[in-house]
Amino acid sequence: AQSVTQPDIHITVSEGASLELRCNYSYGATPYLFWYVQSPGQGLQLLLKYFSGDTLVQGIKGFEAEFKRSQSSFNLRKPSVHWSDAAEYFCAVVILTGGGNKLTFGTGTQLKVEL
Amino acid sequence: EAQVTQNPRYLITVTGKKLTVTCSQNMNHEYMSWYRQDPGLGLRQIYYSMNVEVTDKGDVPEGYKVSRKEKRNFPLILESPSPNQTSLYFCASSLGTGGYNEQFFGPGTRLTVL
Repeated sequence: AQSVTQPDIHITVSEGASLELRCNYSYGATPYLFWYVQSPGQGLQLLLKYFSGDTLVQGIKGFEAEFKRSQSSFNLRKPSVHWSDAAEYFCAVVILTGGGNKLTFGTGTQLKVEL
Repeated sequence: EAQVTQNPRYLITVTGKKLTVTCSQNMNHEYMSWYRQDPGLGLRQIYYSMNVEVTDKGDVPEGYKVSRKEKRNFPLILESPSPNQTSLYFCASSLGTGGYNEQFFGPGTRLTVL
C-alpha cells in the first residue's frame, strides 16, 4: 500500500529564515502529490500540487515544492518564513484506484515560527 | 461563496447516543469524503461517495455510516459512538474523481465521546 512519510514532527524556525519540510512517498509509479496547510482551528487549505511536467511547482503564500523521482520526495520550501506561516503542514498523495481520488496523508509537520 | 460546511463544529456526547454530523457543499461536486484526524496519525479516510447513492468504505469505516441521497449532502452517522471515536472530523469534496481534482475541506467537527 502507498504511504507518505513526514519525518519531522515539529520544526522551529526564526522569522525570515528559509524553510524546508520533508515528504517521502512509497509507490512504484508517480502519484499525484499535494501539500496542505492547516492553521489552528481551521480546515485544510491546498498550498500546491504536482501531477506531471516541471518538477518545481509554485504554490500560494510563496511556497514551492520540488518533485524528485529518484528520491521519492516532494519537499516543501519557502525562502523567507513569516510568523503567519505557523501551522501544521500535510503532504498527501493520490493513487488512483477504484475508489477515486482518495488522499493518503502523512502524519504532519507542526511549524513554529520564532519572532 | 463556494464552500463545504459542517455542523456541528463541536460536539460532546456520551457513549451509545446516536449522532449525525452534517456536511454540505455548494459547488455541485460529485465526489465527497469523510476523514478523521488524530494526533500522530494524520488524516485517514472513513467513507467516500463518488456520486448520489454511490458510497464505499475508506480505510477506517468501522462504527460509521454514511448516505448520499442528494448531491450536495453527505452526512456522517455514528449509530453507537464510543470513546475511540473521539476525534476531529473533516468532510471534503471535489469536482470529479480523477486524482488531479483538488479536494476542498470543511472547517472540521471536533467530537468528544465520554
